[in-house]
Amino acid sequence: QQPVQSPQAVILREGEDAVINCSSSKALYSVHWYRQKHGEAPVFLMILLKGGEQKGHEKISASFNEKKQQSSLYLTASQLSYSGTYFCGTEGGNYGQNFVFGPGTRLSVLP
Amino acid sequence: DARVTQTPRHKVTEMGQEVTMRCQPILGHNTVFWYRQTMMQGLELLAYFRNRAPLDDSGMPKDRFSAEMPDATLATLKIQPSEPRDSAVYFCASGPFGSGDYEQYFGPGTRLTVT
Repeated sequence: QQPVQSPQAVILREGEDAVINCSSSKALYSVHWYRQKHGEAPVFLMILLKGGEQKGHEKISASFNEKKQQSSLYLTASQLSYSGTYFCGTEGGNYGQNFVFGPGTRLSVLP
Repeated sequence: DARVTQTPRHKVTEMGQEVTMRCQPILGHNTVFWYRQTMMQGLELLAYFRNRAPLDDSGMPKDRFSAEMPDATLATLKIQPSEPRDSAVYFCASGPFGSGDYEQYFGPGTRLTVT
């Protein structure tokens, strides 16, 4: 079952922060985050495994709440280069099964 | 600068024809993924391999799609026979997947149009 992402779209000014959420109706084993710019291939950002850990990637970090079956991606002091569509992907089960992508969140960072 | 390469970059074919897409993973990467992206369905994982063995191909229509890794430097995705609904961008990605390293590196994609 496809995870739900919110918001669907967000517009920011350079330097502002943003949070993108990904939630699932099923128990999660892992959550993956990707960014894709228009006309380009996706770029893998990070994976969070069962355990509620938080990970970071430059000024982009994420958390994973197993109990709530959701993950949040935090973009701090956004840069123009952060513009794109952000996808989460989720795996369920005990060992990671049935990987499915969310519909994406379109992020636009304006000067 | 190590990259995942995919060929062809663009393919236009007629319904019913066989289509083969190729991917060269980054040398040393033991995991290869095939993804598909369309406007209607979004991004989908079709299959992935580790050490050349298929681990999950549940996202792939079995009747017409097949994925293989003849050797560590080549992954192929075949569609036979192709249908207009197969029109999409197909991405290959590879990753080292060792010692907790789950990075994936995407190729540029193959844009397939089936008429």
